[in-house]
Amino acid sequence: DAGITQSPRHKVTETGTPVTLRCHQTENHRYMYWYRQDPGHGLRLIHYSYGVKDTDKGEVSDGYSVSRSKTEDFLLTLESATSSQTSVYFCAIRPAGTGTEKLFFGSGTQLSVL
Amino acid sequence: AQTVTQSQPEMSVQEAETVTLSCTYDTSESDYYLFWYKQPPSRQMILVIRQEAYKQQNATENRFSVNFQKAAKSFSLKISDSQLGDAAMYFCASRRDDKIIFGKGTRLHILP
Repeated sequence: DAGITQSPRHKVTETGTPVTLRCHQTENHRYMYWYRQDPGHGLRLIHYSYGVKDTDKGEVSDGYSVSRSKTEDFLLTLESATSSQTSVYFCAIRPAGTGTEKLFFGSGTQLSVL
Repeated sequence: AQTVTQSQPEMSVQEAETVTLSCTYDTSESDYYLFWYKQPPSRQMILVIRQEAYKQQNATENRFSVNFQKAAKSFSLKISDSQLGDAAMYFCASRRDDKIIFGKGTRLHILP
């Protein structure tokens, strides 16, 4: 929906390794978000972006960094993965100025850190 | 701080009955949006209903309606004539400026 692709869909990695998740959109929307979903915690905002090179921290940003060098791509990096970062990661976009006030979500990335 | 609280981790309702899911939020802003999203087992996130804070009239979408109490910072979701397809996780969310925060969710079971 809304041309959002997350990659990879699944990833297993080891503690201490860097990991980058990619969110790609085809519709040039300005606002993009990264969330993690864990049982008992719902969706928690990690970082969000309001334009190229414009990003801000969310609720649980420690251990994560993001980059947005192009409108269509929003990358989430775990600099040194830990087991507590095992989660499902969702990217979302928010169209602005179109009269559509909602988030469109990607399909999610299941990340396991062993 | 912007917070969203859902105090009911799980709820059950008989098919065809009515159920209300609770949500409270905390924002000091006067202009914000509130949402209910549904997440079925497919993991897809589906917008159920949204409410602009400046609108006093409660939003409705078919069998779904909200009770928006601005002074109490309460935003509950009422599902009428519950159907088996309503079984899902339901998340309340708020948007203030560009930040969108979700609650922990309520898992809704529909009993046949």
